Amino acid sequence: KNQVEQSPQSLIILEGKNCTLQCNYTVSPFSNLRWYKQDTGRGPVSLTIMTFSENTKSNGRYTATLDADTKQSSLHITASQLSDSASYICVVSNSNSGYALNFGKGTSLLVTP
Amino acid sequence: IAGITQAPTSQILAAGRRMTLRCTQDMRHNAMYWYRQDLGLGLRLIHYSNTAGTTGKGEVPDGYSVSRANTDDFPLTLASAVPSQTSVYFCASKAQLNTEAFFGQGTRLTVV
Repeated sequence: KNQVEQSPQSLIILEGKNCTLQCNYTVSPFSNLRWYKQDTGRGPVSLTIMTFSENTKSNGRYTATLDADTKQSSLHITASQLSDSASYICVVSNSNSGYALNFGKGTSLLVTP
Repeated sequence: IAGITQAPTSQILAAGRRMTLRCTQDMRHNAMYWYRQDLGLGLRLIHYSNTAGTTGKGEVPDGYSVSRANTDDFPLTLASAVPSQTSVYFCASKAQLNTEAFFGQGTRLTVV
């Protein structure tokens, strides 16, 4: 069964600090992995996409890594800001299932002053 | 502005009533999806459509139906609403296999 597990479930950090969110998956065959940010009351918005051949990708203060051998990804947030408070969702696509998306349950991040 | 639009934004519905949630995209995306999001359960797929004229069942399809008469619209119908269908519903669309999925702003539905 294709599964996506995220940790931690929730996280509280002080403004300006760094944090790392984890995503483990069993989706096979792997197509790509995306991290989405979902602000409260809004729909998810894509932050990064990682394909099989990529092991790191940055988008501003967000850096995603991918280890396709161990089926793990991380999202590192540098110098956190209050606006980073949101849910971060890991989404893995299966290349055998057309457009199918496999969602993690998300990590809820709260950045406090 | 191109994008994906859901209506209504929120709705309170009496149990047993019929309700259609609307979703429209103007990006000419092939695939469209309906998800429900519940606290602690994340986003769960209700129904999907890989192209106009075709639909498929997701993880939690019971009590819901969809149609895809054209590329742009993908309505979700609750034939007879029940309180367990209280949730936030998100519509999404996707152009091709390795492209980004775009989400609507969500519909908050409360069935009482």
